[in-house]
Amino acid sequence: EDQVTQSPEALRLQEGESSSLNCSYTVSGLRGLFWYRQDPGKGPEFLFTLYSAGEEKEKERLKATLTKKESFLHITAPKPEDSATYLCAVQAWSNTGKLIFGQGTTLQVKP
Amino acid sequence: DGGITQSPKYLFRKEGQNVTLSCEQNLNHDAMYWYRQDPGQGLRLIYYSQIVNDFQKGDIAEGYSVSREKKESFPLTVTSAQKNPTAFYLCASHSGLAGELFFGEGSRLTVL
Repeated sequence: EDQVTQSPEALRLQEGESSSLNCSYTVSGLRGLFWYRQDPGKGPEFLFTLYSAGEEKEKERLKATLTKKESFLHITAPKPEDSATYLCAVQAWSNTGKLIFGQGTTLQVKP
Repeated sequence: DGGITQSPKYLFRKEGQNVTLSCEQNLNHDAMYWYRQDPGQGLRLIYYSQIVNDFQKGDIAEGYSVSREKKESFPLTVTSAQKNPTAFYLCASHSGLAGELFFGEGSRLTVL
C-alpha cells in the first residue's frame, strides 16, 4: 500500500535556527514527490516537485531533496513568516490521477 | 486571475441535512479533486474527476456524492449518511500529467 509519513509532527525553532523536515514514503513506482505549504485556514500552496533520487530544488530559505525512500525539506535561517504546516505528497505511476498526502509537519519559528 | 473558488467559506449544518459545497475553476484544468482535512491529519481523498461526466471514489467516499457536468465545476454534497462531517474541505485541480495540485481556499463545515 502506498504510504507517506512525515516527521516530526511539530517543530519549534528560533529565528535563524536551521533544521530539516522529513518525508518517508513507500510507493509502487514514484512518479513525483510534492511539497506544499499550508497556512492556518487556507488551502495548501505548491512549493516543489521532485522526480528522481538525487534531485534538489531551492526556493528562498527552503531546499528540498529526494532519495529512493525519503525526502527532506531543509530550512536555512528561518524567519517567523516561515511558520506554517508543510505537507508532503507522492504520486505513483500506477495511478497518476491521485496524490497521497502525509499528515504534515507544523513549523513554528519564534523571533 | 485564474484560480479555484470554493464557497461557502463557512457552513453550519444541522444533523440530518444534506449540504452542497461549490468548487469552480477557471484554469481550464481537466482533473478536479475533493479532499477532507481533520486536525492533525493529512489530506484524505474523497472523490476525483479526470474528465467531464466521469468521477472516481477516493479513500473516504462514503456519505459523499459529486457531479461533473461542466469542466469548470465539481460540487460536493455531504449527505446525512456521513457520520462525522465536521471538517475542512479542500477542492483542487491539475492539468494533464502534471502533479502539482492547485487548491482553493477551503470550506469549513460544522455540524451543530
